Amino acid sequence: GAGVSQSPSNKVTEKGKDVELRCDPISGHTALYWYRQSLGQGLEFLIYFQGNSAPDKSGLPSDRFSAERTGGSVSTLTIQRTQQEDSAVYLCASSLALDYEQYFGPGTRLTVT
Amino acid sequence: DAKTTQPPSMDCAEGRAANLPCNHSTISGNEYVYWYRQIHSQGPQYIIHGLKNNETNEMASLIITEDRKSSTLILPHATLRDTAVYYCIVRFSNTGNQFYFGTGTSLTVIP
Repeated sequence: GAGVSQSPSNKVTEKGKDVELRCDPISGHTALYWYRQSLGQGLEFLIYFQGNSAPDKSGLPSDRFSAERTGGSVSTLTIQRTQQEDSAVYLCASSLALDYEQYFGPGTRLTVT
Repeated sequence: DAKTTQPPSMDCAEGRAANLPCNHSTISGNEYVYWYRQIHSQGPQYIIHGLKNNETNEMASLIITEDRKSSTLILPHATLRDTAVYYCIVRFSNTGNQFYFGTGTSLTVIP
């Protein structure tokens, strides 16, 4: 079956612009996660959704970051007024439920110039 | 504030067993240990997970110490395709259900 998909695969944007990243989880997976990975670094957890609800937003790096999930499926991660330090690969994962194994998408490579 | 600790790098000869350690000394009783790996430029791939007992699947074995403060991922017969960064992840409910990946161990399988 189809895995987790993310779009766009690459995004180059100018500093100060807003960007929206999309994640399509595996059908039927109730939990969805966002991570980011800076060049040569490990994965940094950002936020997770159980259904449409995100109980803990403290992992988001700043108030310029927001995420939503609608219909228990697609999720969008929005970064407002992008900064150069936002440049990273943003990874999305989904799992059947919390504490089940996570399946990752290919990521969106964001470059802020 | 590291939640898991892993050696930054390891080498292993092709065909030999690769043993990758992870320390998770603050793990709580009902939290699982998961292992993932990430091959260059790809998303992480699930390998195995466990709670208390040792686990084995087609990819690897997971050995968890009796006190659950550490674990070891074993790749029984490493191949060149196993060269990747291996992440140990636990879920810490006392930090609001965040999911922390370890620092990762960069495993290089040598021909």
